[in-house]
Amino acid sequence: GNSVTQMEGPVTLSEEAFLTINCTYTATGYPSLFWYVQYPGEGLQLLLKATKADDKGSNKGFEATYRKETTSFHLEKGSVQVSDSAVYFCALSGLGMNTGFQKLVFGTGTRLLVSP
Amino acid sequence: GAGVSQSPSNKVTEKGKDVELRCDPISGHTALYWYRQSLGQGLEFLIYFQGNSAPDKSGLPSDRFSAERTGGSVSTLTIQRTQQEDSAVYLCASSFPSGGSRRQYNEQFFGPGTRLTVL
Repeated sequence: GNSVTQMEGPVTLSEEAFLTINCTYTATGYPSLFWYVQYPGEGLQLLLKATKADDKGSNKGFEATYRKETTSFHLEKGSVQVSDSAVYFCALSGLGMNTGFQKLVFGTGTRLLVSP
Repeated sequence: GAGVSQSPSNKVTEKGKDVELRCDPISGHTALYWYRQSLGQGLEFLIYFQGNSAPDKSGLPSDRFSAERTGGSVSTLTIQRTQQEDSAVYLCASSFPSGGSRRQYNEQFFGPGTRLTVL
């Protein structure tokens, strides 16, 4: 079945450091890939997405490239801020049972802590 | 409201009791999803509603779990005879319906979740 593996946290960085959070996936067919973010006390929010191989998703300075050859979708940011402290979830979409809906499969999440 | 709301935000219950968790989706979103986040686990899909029907219940972990949706809006997730392993954060999401194409993805908007603790 479909699955997502992402690096365990917490990831602790100083402000302005470079961020990479690794994500790899196993899937049949051609899933879409996502990064979701959960800020303290808030619900999950879609951060960025990519729907086909070699697509790059980007938002708020974060980027991730859909790499079919390595089945990866690593999240990167060149200079993190304290306000980026949150839990980041990698996810893929696969077709739900008996329907055409897009069912999300998530990784376990990676907590990012950015200090001033 | 402006976003997906869930109630209660926290629920503590005793083993063996029944609990009901509520989700109010974004107005106009016909698709509704329940997920569960357990300690050390990722978010697990539980059930999907399109309107009032649930074409995919494959993620419900046991027959103690059930869900319904009325009026194409509010949904209730019910857990009967709760067990300690049911302790988790239960998340609800809503979206416009997605199609079968892998490119036809409509963003799922998540609520803040209900933290359930079974003593």
